[in-house]
Amino acid sequence: DAGITQSPRHKVTETGTPVTLRCHQTENHRYMYWYRQDPGHGLRLIHYSYGVKDTDKGEVSDGYSVSRSKTEDFLLTLESATSSQTSVYFCAISEKSGPPQETQYFGPGTRLLVL
Amino acid sequence: GDSVTQMEGPVTLSEEAFLTINCTYTATGYPSLFWYVQYPGEGLQLLLKATKADDKGSNKGFEATYRKETTSFHLEKGSVQVSDSAVYFCALSDDSGGSNYKLTFGKGTLLTVNP
Repeated sequence: DAGITQSPRHKVTETGTPVTLRCHQTENHRYMYWYRQDPGHGLRLIHYSYGVKDTDKGEVSDGYSVSRSKTEDFLLTLESATSSQTSVYFCAISEKSGPPQETQYFGPGTRLLVL
Repeated sequence: GDSVTQMEGPVTLSEEAFLTINCTYTATGYPSLFWYVQYPGEGLQLLLKATKADDKGSNKGFEATYRKETTSFHLEKGSVQVSDSAVYFCALSDDSGGSNYKLTFGKGTLLTVNP
C-alpha cells in the first residue's frame, strides 16, 4: 500500500469555523490531490499540487485553499466551513502526470461534518 | 470537457454470477482509463488500467478493454464473490490540452453480491 495518511480521520465542526485537513505521504511523489466524495457525484477534484509551492485549482475549489511547503505534506483549508462542505475528503498522490506512471493512490479519507 | 458515464446502481447479484458494469467516456485527448474499487469505509484502490486503444486491463479476475471506436471501458468478471461487494468507479486521465493530467471520475456503481 502507498504510504499515505490523512488527519484527522473524523471531524465535527461548526459553520463559520476554519478547518485544516492534512495529507502526509512517504513515497516522495511529486503530485498530490484533494478530492471530495459526495453521493451522486463520485469524486470531484478540489485542488492539486505539482510540486512544492506549486498548486492549481480543480473543478470545485471555491471555499477551499491549499498549501504545500514540503514534498510530503499537502494541507487543505476550509477558511470558513459551511454545511455544503460536509463530505468525505480524500487525498491522492501520483509519481508523474501523464502515462504511464500517472496512476493515483488514495489515502483512507477524512469524514467532515459541518453543523 | 472530459466526462465519464457509468451505469447507475445499485447492482445486486448472486455469488458466481457474471458481472458487467458499463462505462463510456468523452475526452478531448487520448486518455488513459481506470477502474477503481472502494470497499466499505476505505479509500479507493486501483483495480485495473489501460493506457491506449485495444489494451486490456485485468486484475483479480476483472477485465476491461479500452474501445476507442465506442469510447467505452466496460468492467467484467465471470464469477463474482461476496468479497467483491464494493463501489466501483470508472475514471479517465487526460491533460485536456494543458500540462498536467487529472482524473475525471464517474459517479460510482454499488455492487452487492449475495451468497
